[in-house]
Amino acid sequence: GAVVSQHPSWVICKSGTSVKIECRSLDFQATTMFWYRQFPKQSLMLMATSNEGSKATYEQGVEKDKFLINHASLTLSTLTVTSAHPEDSSFYICSASGTSVGGGETQYFGPGTRLLVL
Amino acid sequence: AQTVTQSQPEMSVQEAETVTLSCTYDTSESDYYLFWYKQPPSRQMILVIRQEAYKQQNATENRFSVNFQKAAKSFSLKISDSQLGDAAMYFCAYRRPLNFGNEKLTFGTGTRLTIIP
Repeated sequence: GAVVSQHPSWVICKSGTSVKIECRSLDFQATTMFWYRQFPKQSLMLMATSNEGSKATYEQGVEKDKFLINHASLTLSTLTVTSAHPEDSSFYICSASGTSVGGGETQYFGPGTRLLVL
Repeated sequence: AQTVTQSQPEMSVQEAETVTLSCTYDTSESDYYLFWYKQPPSRQMILVIRQEAYKQQNATENRFSVNFQKAAKSFSLKISDSQLGDAAMYFCAYRRPLNFGNEKLTFGTGTRLTIIP
C-alpha cells in the first residue's frame, strides 16, 4: 500500500515553454501533497504543500507564479513550471500523506521527474 | 526551528556486516516523529523506518533498527547483515505531530552508504 506515482519521469523542453508534472496517490486518499526539488548530491528542498481543494502554501523564496500547484482531488496534484528556463532544470519529487496510511504523519514519495530545459 | 544533523557524509560497510548511521536533531517539542528514508540510485525515496517520540521502544523493521535516545536527541539507524541493495543515500527526517497542521518534514543532509562486496 501507499503507492505514489509521478508522470512524466523524464521531460525535456525548450526554454519558455510550460511543463506539467502529475502526482497521483494510487491506493489511498492523499489529504496533503508536497512538492520537493532536489539538486545533485543534495537533500530535498520543500517547495510547497497543498491540501485538496485549497491553495498551496509555498516555502519562502519559491515563486508562486512560476511553480503553479493544483490539488484538485484526493488522488491528484499537479505542478506546472511556467515559462521554464535552464535554471529550472532539476529533479522534482512529490510526496503524499493521508490519514488512512501511516496515521497521516508519514509521507510517501513518488519516483520523481527529471526536468531538463534547453 | 527544528534542525536535523547527519554528521557522516559517507559510510562504507562490508557486505553481511553491520553499520550504524548517525542522526541528531534539535527541537523544543516533546511529541514528534522521526523517519529514515533511503534514496537508491533510482532516486526513489523509500521509507525505511519511523519512530514516534512518545514510544520508548525502538522501532525495528527486519534488518533495520533504530536507537532512539530522546534525552540526547539522537536517532541512529542500524543496518544488520548489510546487502548490496542497501547501497543508497540515507536521509534522517523529523516532523511535528498532525495537530500542529500540515507540518513539513525537516531532512538531514544525508549519508551515502556504500556496500563493499
